[in-house]
Amino acid sequence: AQSVTQLDSQVPVFEEAPVELRCNYSSSVSVYLFWYVQYPNQGLQLLLKYLSGSTLVKGINGFEAEFNKSQTSFHLRKPSVHISDTAEYFCAVTSNTGNQFYFGTGTSLTVIP
Amino acid sequence: DTAVSQTPKYLVTQMGNDKSIKCEQNLGHDTMYWYKQDSKKFLKIMFSYNNKELIINETVPNRFSPKSPDKAHLNLHINSLELGDSAVYFCASSQGAAGYTFGSGTRLTVV
Repeated sequence: AQSVTQLDSQVPVFEEAPVELRCNYSSSVSVYLFWYVQYPNQGLQLLLKYLSGSTLVKGINGFEAEFNKSQTSFHLRKPSVHISDTAEYFCAVTSNTGNQFYFGTGTSLTVIP
Repeated sequence: DTAVSQTPKYLVTQMGNDKSIKCEQNLGHDTMYWYKQDSKKFLKIMFSYNNKELIINETVPNRFSPKSPDKAHLNLHINSLELGDSAVYFCASSQGAAGYTFGSGTRLTVV
């Protein structure tokens, strides 16, 4: 089985500053990794995913994440955040069978004007 | 066209009532899910169906019963609603390991 740990439950950051949201996973098999964003009172939307290939993955809204197998991490980054990035962010992992996705507990990003 | 649609979006009901939430996906995905999101935003899987067959049935009270009439639909029926059932319920679908597509959620409030 896989599991995901999001180390920060809340991250406040000033507008136009960079941000990193941390995600670590554990698994005994090859994994696929995802980041989802949930804006207030909305459903979850896929930001980006790593399935194979380049370990640096670019997603929507200027976000990117880097898969680091040795550190079992998949941290999400953005060089300059906007007010509209205020949301809950979830990291998720699955195996190559994709039978079940395991979600982290979420990180609440608040962008301060 | 909405890829994964849930109805209703809001549901307010009294304790003890029975209610259903419907979910439909038009993506041709084989697998569908129900998740519960509590007030702390934790996402907990409840059920998963693959081609109408139940494959995941987490520790959920048997008052919750999923029904999948075909692979495009996965409904959730809840009997004898309790205050603790208040939450946001998300339907999702997937095809292999490519990722989930979520519905917009149903906010259930039990009073």
